[in-house]
Amino acid sequence: GNSVTQMEGPVTLSEEAFLTINCTYTATGYPSLFWYVQYPGEGLQLLLKATKADDKGSNKGFEATYRKETTSFHLEKGSVQVSDSAVYFCALQAGTALIFGKGTTLSVSS
Amino acid sequence: DTEVTQTPKHLVMGMTNKKSLKCEQHMGHRAMYWYKQKAKKPPELMFVYSYEKLSINESVPSRFSPECPNSSLLNLHLHALQPEDSALYLCASSPQRGGQVVYGYTFGSGTRLTVV
Repeated sequence: GNSVTQMEGPVTLSEEAFLTINCTYTATGYPSLFWYVQYPGEGLQLLLKATKADDKGSNKGFEATYRKETTSFHLEKGSVQVSDSAVYFCALQAGTALIFGKGTTLSVSS
Repeated sequence: DTEVTQTPKHLVMGMTNKKSLKCEQHMGHRAMYWYKQKAKKPPELMFVYSYEKLSINESVPSRFSPECPNSSLLNLHLHALQPEDSALYLCASSPQRGGQVVYGYTFGSGTRLTVV
């Protein structure tokens, strides 16, 4: 079946530190992959996406590359800000369903 | 308009009440979804509507009743809920092409429901 595994949090960083949140997936076929972000008290916002192998999604300084050989879609940012504190969900889409990982809480301090 | 609008933002209801959650989008998306999200958990799919027809019901109790009156509106009718139903209820929409969802979902901000 289809599933998403992402690293357990919380992840605690200082401002301007480098961020990596690992995400791996299991799927039949070639799903589209996404990162969503949820700020406290809000709904989910699409952060970036990739629809085929070797695609790189990017937005607001965040990047993730669709790696078919390692079935991974790790989220990275070179220099985090306090405003990046949120919960990050990796997700895959196969057919109609969007399947989420468990989420990773990021806390950035100044 | 690139938003999904959900009302109300907050709702407190008793276990004998009947209430409805509303979701609206004007992006021309033909797939609409209800998700339930408990604190510190990922969203869980409840219902999927495709071209205004219910296509997926993830074994949701009958006290939750979805309705899709037209291509822009999605309702979730609530009746005789339990305290454990307290959660953030998220609506989402997505374009479809050839029956397949394309390029992810747009989520609303959610309705935070408390059952007392």
